[in-house]
Amino acid sequence: VLTQSPATLSLSPGERAILSCRASQSVGTFLAWYQQKPGQAPRLLISDASNRATGISARFSGSGPGTDFTLTISGLEPEDFAVYYCQSGYTFGQGTKLEMK
Amino acid sequence: QIALKESGPTLVSPTQTLTVTCTFSGFSLSTAGEGVAWIRQPPGKALEWLALVYWNNDSRYSPSLKGRLTITKDTSKNQVVLTMTNMDPVDTGTYYCAHREQLGYFDHWGQGTLITVSS
Repeated sequence: VLTQSPATLSLSPGERAILSCRASQSVGTFLAWYQQKPGQAPRLLISDASNRATGISARFSGSGPGTDFTLTISGLEPEDFAVYYCQSGYTFGQGTKLEMK
Repeated sequence: QIALKESGPTLVSPTQTLTVTCTFSGFSLSTAGEGVAWIRQPPGKALEWLALVYWNNDSRYSPSLKGRLTITKDTSKNQVVLTMTNMDPVDTGTYYCAHREQLGYFDHWGQGTLITVSS
């Protein structure tokens, strides 16, 4: 089971966002982060806990390993406000909605 | 480049069987390590992994839905088909297919197809 927190995060452009994903047991570094905007399919941001996918801005960074993972988004841009999911194996977290304050 | 597209009915009646097809390009499901998954999303809710088929015909299913799901591949047509039996209104949602890359992550997704279960 993957548990994401908070459910909703309200921040302003330019601020830093820190999203959490906790696994019920160690998954090593086997964890990914996805971004989903309204009406769109999810997009892979981070794989293996900390590796940015092709074309992903350096403002996005991930950390782990083990059971506690974070996705950090530095200097929020308007296009970053979306829902973020973590995934490991055949399981997704329930998502964190990043909304503009 | 890799692309995937889902196709199927937009409306299904309760108790019916759903059949959705994923047609892909840019990779082959006969290549070692490749896989295609189905993932769904009820309106306003989180992603839910359903099933996955590997290049070697191995398949995996969500434990909560295992008895209702069948995933198959047609390598010659570059297609993956998911069937789900005994559809219920709670199965309403957008159904995505996604390419599973060799490390186990979903790096390319289809646009999704909205399936509504209603009489």
